[in-house]
Amino acid sequence: KAGVTQTPRYLIKTRGQQVTLSCSPISGHRSVSWYQQTPGQGLQFLFEYFSETQRNKGNFPGRFSGRQFSNSRSEMNVSTLELGDSALYLCASRRTSGSGEQYFGPGTRLTVT
Amino acid sequence: KNEVEQSPQNLTAQEGEFITINCSYSVGISALHWLQQHPGGGIVSLFMLSSGKKKHGRLIATINIQEKHSSLHITASHPRDSAVYICAVRSRGGADGLTFGKGTHLIIQP
Repeated sequence: KAGVTQTPRYLIKTRGQQVTLSCSPISGHRSVSWYQQTPGQGLQFLFEYFSETQRNKGNFPGRFSGRQFSNSRSEMNVSTLELGDSALYLCASRRTSGSGEQYFGPGTRLTVT
Repeated sequence: KNEVEQSPQNLTAQEGEFITINCSYSVGISALHWLQQHPGGGIVSLFMLSSGKKKHGRLIATINIQEKHSSLHITASHPRDSAVYICAVRSRGGADGLTFGKGTHLIIQP
């Protein structure tokens, strides 16, 4: 069974631009969570989607948004990029929302210049 | 909001040693996860616990719900165990997603 895939793997953007990252969960998994990892803050929860609905949201500004499609693939979007948005963005999938083991993708390394 | 503390932050040991990494949290949880992250970023889920003890190969994870504490043990450590180990908890209700510890950077020297 294929694992969680994320595209692109690396991305360089300029301050003020916007970016869209994509995550394809493991087949049969309907929950997708997004996380940001930085050297200073470590791993932080962004949001979770289940059956195309946002179930939970972390403490991030409204510039961070996401969505989930009917095939469970998810995208996250960051608008008006800031230097501090440079991070590794990870998604993880699991079968259902609320509990269960999560399977992480390889991440997208975003650099904002 | 749950606070997750891990110790030690850094640990260097010799091959074959018994390793213990600790995790404590402040608020009741529905589940605790131990994750492993190798250089390059990939994260692997090692264990998910809500009570008791789990074992997988040379890895053992325990949790004490009353004391809000979990430990990850590695027996007969090997250089390939070198990685960052991260504890993460899901608070009861789960509305905040996972809350992560800062991680323990483990180096096993041959």
